Amino acid sequence: SQTIHQWPATLVQPVGSPLSLECTVEGTSNPNLYWYRQAAGRGLQLLFYSVGIGQISSEVPQNLSASRPQDRQFILSSKKLLLSDSGFYLCAWNGGRVDTGELFFGEGSRLTVL
Amino acid sequence: RKEVEQDPGPFNVPEGATVAFNCTYSNSASQSFFWYRQDCRKEPKLLMSVYSSGNEDGRFTAQLNRASQYISLLIRDSKLSDSATYLCVVLGDSSYKLIFGSGTRLLVRP
Repeated sequence: SQTIHQWPATLVQPVGSPLSLECTVEGTSNPNLYWYRQAAGRGLQLLFYSVGIGQISSEVPQNLSASRPQDRQFILSSKKLLLSDSGFYLCAWNGGRVDTGELFFGEGSRLTVL
Repeated sequence: RKEVEQDPGPFNVPEGATVAFNCTYSNSASQSFFWYRQDCRKEPKLLMSVYSSGNEDGRFTAQLNRASQYISLLIRDSKLSDSATYLCVVLGDSSYKLIFGSGTRLLVRP
């Protein structure tokens, strides 16, 4: 069966520090992968998506970046965090099918920037 | 204007009540629509797709009104376990992009 993992689950970082969130998918190959952010009391905002190794599409200009060094690995990074980067970060994959509307999410990484 | 808009609620209803949520979308070319459920501090999960003719899954009924560009979710015989945030989701211009509303919070009380 396919599963998606992301870590760390919770982190507290000072302003200006770097960030690295990692996501991996098991049991499949060539998944479409996504990073979403959910700010407190707000909807999910698509940050990046990837349809293959090294292929990254950015939806929102900001101080975050994403990389896909391996087929089933998706990394979200920042060189210098801002207060506004606080939120709930969710990695997702499409279950191997497009246009179905179903995304499978990891358990999320809750980031607090102080 | 937001691409997908929802009333944030909360909707506070007793067990057994019927409750309905609406959601509006701005892109008239949108083709696919969905409802997701998100429990507190958890990841969202697909609840049901919304088909043009309307569809039902147990106590849940989803409707689509293309002319008015809104989607609805009806929950009958509410259970305590239905308490959650319900997210309206629209497939955007790209087949890869799902656009999420900010959610409607439902509280079902004993």
